[in-house]
Amino acid sequence: DAGVTQSPTHLIKTRGQHVTLRCSPISGHKSVSWYQQVLGQGPQFIFQYYEKEERGRGNFPDRFSARQFPNYSSELNVNALLLGDSALYLCASSLQGGPYEQYFGPGTRLTVT
Amino acid sequence: RKEVEQDPGPFNVPEGATVAFNCTYSNSASQSFFWYRQDCRKEPKLLMSVYSSGNEDGRFTAQLNRASQYISLLIRDSKLSDSATYLCVVNPRAGNMLTFGGGTRLMVKP
Repeated sequence: DAGVTQSPTHLIKTRGQHVTLRCSPISGHKSVSWYQQVLGQGPQFIFQYYEKEERGRGNFPDRFSARQFPNYSSELNVNALLLGDSALYLCASSLQGGPYEQYFGPGTRLTVT
Repeated sequence: RKEVEQDPGPFNVPEGATVAFNCTYSNSASQSFFWYRQDCRKEPKLLMSVYSSGNEDGRFTAQLNRASQYISLLIRDSKLSDSATYLCVVNPRAGNMLTFGGGTRLMVKP
């Protein structure tokens, strides 16, 4: 079975631009969570979606938004990029929403210049 | 105080050694606990969930101490392939958020 997939793998953007990251969960999983991981730190929770509804939000500015589609895939959008947004963005899927076991995709490495 | 704290290490151990990591959490109402493993520049992979009664998976044993608010991971008979960063993960409050510690780096030497 395919695991969690994310696209693109790498991305370079300029300050002020907008970016969209995509994630497809494991088949049968209905929940997707997004995390930001800065080098040398653990992942930080951004959002969780379950059945297309937002079920949790971390301490990130409104420049960050996300949505989940009927096929359970998800997009993370970041507007007005800052240098500090440079990080590895991880998507994790789980069978249902909540604080349960999550399985991560390979991530999208975003560099903002 | 951070919600989830880990000693960043690195822990340098010889092959075959037993090594243990602790992780402390600040919210006594935390319900879910996990250990993840992350290799350099890769995604975290679920190692094991941590149950109240403690649990074992091969060479790995996880324990939860609610009174002192810490979880532990014990690795027996360390292998070179165990070299990685081990992330402690806690659900610190009601809701769906998982909070990761900063990770403990383990290096197993021949």
